[in-house]
Amino acid sequence: DTEVTQTPKHLVMGMTNKKSLKCEQHMGHRAMYWYKQKAKKPPELMFVYSYEKLSINESVPSRFSPECPNSSLLNLHLHALQPEDSALYLCASSLEIPRAEKLFFGSGTQLSVL
Amino acid sequence: SQQGEEDPQALSIQEGENATMNCSYKTSINNLQWYRQNSGRGLVHLILIRSNEREKHSGRLRVTLDTSKKSSSLLITASRAADTASYFCATDAPSGTYKYIFGTGTRLKVLA
Repeated sequence: DTEVTQTPKHLVMGMTNKKSLKCEQHMGHRAMYWYKQKAKKPPELMFVYSYEKLSINESVPSRFSPECPNSSLLNLHLHALQPEDSALYLCASSLEIPRAEKLFFGSGTQLSVL
Repeated sequence: SQQGEEDPQALSIQEGENATMNCSYKTSINNLQWYRQNSGRGLVHLILIRSNEREKHSGRLRVTLDTSKKSSSLLITASRAADTASYFCATDAPSGTYKYIFGTGTRLKVLA
């Protein structure tokens, strides 16, 4: 299984809602990532988990809260988002070597904040 | 910012032609990777070139790396309509922090 599965594929939420994005992989990868991508822009790194511990937070606002409950799962909890947070949210995973040499991406969650 | 710059931003070619896109970056790297993204989808890893390598091939793909100029190029030969996508380079930080930063991307359109 060489897939990274993200759910849901699409999400529409209001600014007062709380929602979660989910990401799952069964490749035995120990590094997992969240990226945010606006239309016609490159993916921007948000968070990196290594061995279920948060190792990089790219100064992301606290309305985004990541969680890595085990080595296969990565969640992104969303609360009180703003319309400008509308974007494609991509999850990725890689082997931890320490240097990962290939990122496997999920298909993303297209998020719209109204 | 470590972010790479890619040019051209957009490229339109006929099927069968070659497509070349370039990536420039700012800091020293361990390796550079190229990814493809079909519209609204996840990215797919294409090829990796290490800092001590100058050229690498994979099928119709040829990647070059010039660390003195901090630049890389991706050549797709004999392009097909299915190659229509956005292409991104990604560079890592030498400190090994899993911090892959993507370039601005090239949107390639291959006309049948």
